[in-house]
Amino acid sequence: ETGVTQSPTHLIKTRGQQVTLRCSSQSGHNTVSWYQQALGQGPQFIFQYYREEENGRGNFPPRFSGLQFPNYSSELNVNALELDDSALYLCASSFPGGGMDEQYFGPGTRLTVT
Amino acid sequence: DQQVKQNSPSLSVQEGRISILNCDYTNSMFDYFLWYKKYPAEGPTFLISISSIKDKNEDGRFTVFLNKSAKHLSLHIVPSQPGDSAVYFCAADDISNFGNEKLTFGTGTRLTIIP
Repeated sequence: ETGVTQSPTHLIKTRGQQVTLRCSSQSGHNTVSWYQQALGQGPQFIFQYYREEENGRGNFPPRFSGLQFPNYSSELNVNALELDDSALYLCASSFPGGGMDEQYFGPGTRLTVT
Repeated sequence: DQQVKQNSPSLSVQEGRISILNCDYTNSMFDYFLWYKKYPAEGPTFLISISSIKDKNEDGRFTVFLNKSAKHLSLHIVPSQPGDSAVYFCAADDISNFGNEKLTFGTGTRLTIIP
């Protein structure tokens, strides 16, 4: 059984650019949630995908968008990057009915916007 | 608006003693609470949880206490071990929102166990 993996590990982008972050779910999980963890803060919920559809969204602007693929892997896209987007981006996979205890996090992608 | 608060950014405890980490919340809709542990360069890992219908849940060295009237929960680790040194996050969920759950996290407490 493979765990949740994320790529890349680190990324440096310039303000105004676009970025795509990737997440592979744990085997058997069909739900993926994305979180943003700014320095010194706890993770903040961005959105969740279930069976390729967005299934809930936090307080993030539309320039944060996502995709989920038939194999349940997922992408987080951020357009028009701002300096405040610098953060650790975490994805977590789970399966419906599994409860929040069954949500497994990846190691994250550290994004730096200069 | 910080709905889940961990007011102690850091805590140092002697090995073998009890570690107590605290968490307060403001949203009365929260009915499920979790503690996560995070090591550097790793994602948070689930530690223990408690439903709002309980006031205590134990798992080995870890016990979580919930005081609903005070909107307060705490994590007790006893005895503390060096491997417990990590950042601990308190998180809350409204499980009545089934199928659309999202976790609201606190800002974390860095626990250091002194050998």
